[in-house]
Amino acid sequence: QLQLQESGPGLVKPSEALSLTCTVSGASIASSTFYWAWIRQPPGKGLEWVGTIYYTGITYYNPSLESRVTISVDTSKNQFSLNLSSMTAADTAIYFCARRSSDFCYDFWGQGTLVTVSS
Amino acid sequence: IVLTQSPGTLSLSPGERATLSCRASQSVSSSYLAWYRQKPGQAPRLLIYGASKRATGVPDRFSGSGSGTDFSLNINRLEPEDFAVYYCQQFSNSLWTFGQGTTVEIK
Repeated sequence: QLQLQESGPGLVKPSEALSLTCTVSGASIASSTFYWAWIRQPPGKGLEWVGTIYYTGITYYNPSLESRVTISVDTSKNQFSLNLSSMTAADTAIYFCARRSSDFCYDFWGQGTLVTVSS
Repeated sequence: IVLTQSPGTLSLSPGERATLSCRASQSVSSSYLAWYRQKPGQAPRLLIYGASKRATGVPDRFSGSGSGTDFSLNINRLEPEDFAVYYCQQFSNSLWTFGQGTTVEIK
């Protein structure tokens, strides 16, 4: 059974970088069919796509975040990661990792992890 | 592409039918239009992909339709678990965007 689990700090100071990891279990991240993504949701607000990665390292980023975002993949650990630099209060959100299916939608999601930006 | 969902909130009773709208600022390929349901404190769940195809395990009371810039999600006979927030999502030019959401609440 496929499971995705986010991990990382729940609190980040302003101007610092956020680093989150998504561990995939129950399937290989090095699948030719699927991509892997980060999607976030500010408290009480809607969903915002952050970026998507293929196991070969090909990435697609939200243009509004592109200058600060790096998504990477580690196939040996079956993990992919998000790095978001220069964090501000506006980056406070629940961060979800998810699987992008061959139909270009997100069919499996992690439970999400709340990241708060505060000094 | 901006997705605008309406109404913002829909107040209905269990057993009633819900119709949710998603309008795109430009034409969207039907192949790349999806709907999700999000219950409080949970991750979104994929309901519909390709505008009208139900995801695995999704009850047949959910149906999607539409093309071009206008898409709809219909929910027949609302169940208690259906009172939640619904999002549409599209893919084009290697970018994904979500609508702002429609809340279906108990009347």
